[in-house]
Amino acid sequence: ETGVTQSPTHLIKTRGQQVTLRCSSQSGHNTVSWYQQALGQGPQFIFQYYREEENGRGNFPPRFSGLQFPNYSSELNVNALELDDSALYLCASSLFSGFGEETQYFGPGTRLLVL
Amino acid sequence: DQQVKQNSPSLSVQEGRISILNCDYTNSMFDYFLWYKKYPAEGPTFLISISSIKDKNEDGRFTVFLNKSAKHLSLHIVPSQPGDSAVYFCAASAHVQGAQKLVFGQGTRLTINP
Repeated sequence: ETGVTQSPTHLIKTRGQQVTLRCSSQSGHNTVSWYQQALGQGPQFIFQYYREEENGRGNFPPRFSGLQFPNYSSELNVNALELDDSALYLCASSLFSGFGEETQYFGPGTRLLVL
Repeated sequence: DQQVKQNSPSLSVQEGRISILNCDYTNSMFDYFLWYKKYPAEGPTFLISISSIKDKNEDGRFTVFLNKSAKHLSLHIVPSQPGDSAVYFCAASAHVQGAQKLVFGQGTRLTINP
């Protein structure tokens, strides 16, 4: 069984640029969620994708957008990067069951630094 | 508005003893709770979970207790081992527009001393 993978592991960008982060979900999972973790904080929910549609979003502006592909992999795109976007970006996959008690399994994360 | 709080930023325990990590929440709509362990430069690793209809769940050395009336949960690790040294996050599950969103605490750094 393959776990959640993310690429790249590290990235440095400058303010105003755009970035794309990638995630491959664990085999058998159909849902992908993205989180932002600032230093010293717990992860914060950005959004979730199921059946290639965004089905829920946290308190993040529209310049954070995503995609899910037919193989359940996903991308997170961030436009017009700001210094505060510097963080660890985590992808988590899960299997939607309809019963609500789905465990999310996380990838290793992408560390983004905005200068 | 911090809906999930871990009030102890750090905890130090002797090897072989019990480690108890605590977590409080404010939203009574949370229906599923999880604990994750995180090593530096890695993503959070799932440890154990508990449904809101239960008050205890055990898995090997790990036990999670849920007190719904107090909106409090705790993770017990016994006996504690050096490999348990990590940051532990408590997370609560909520549903937003059909999505399952996890709300995390700030984490507790556990250090197991030999």
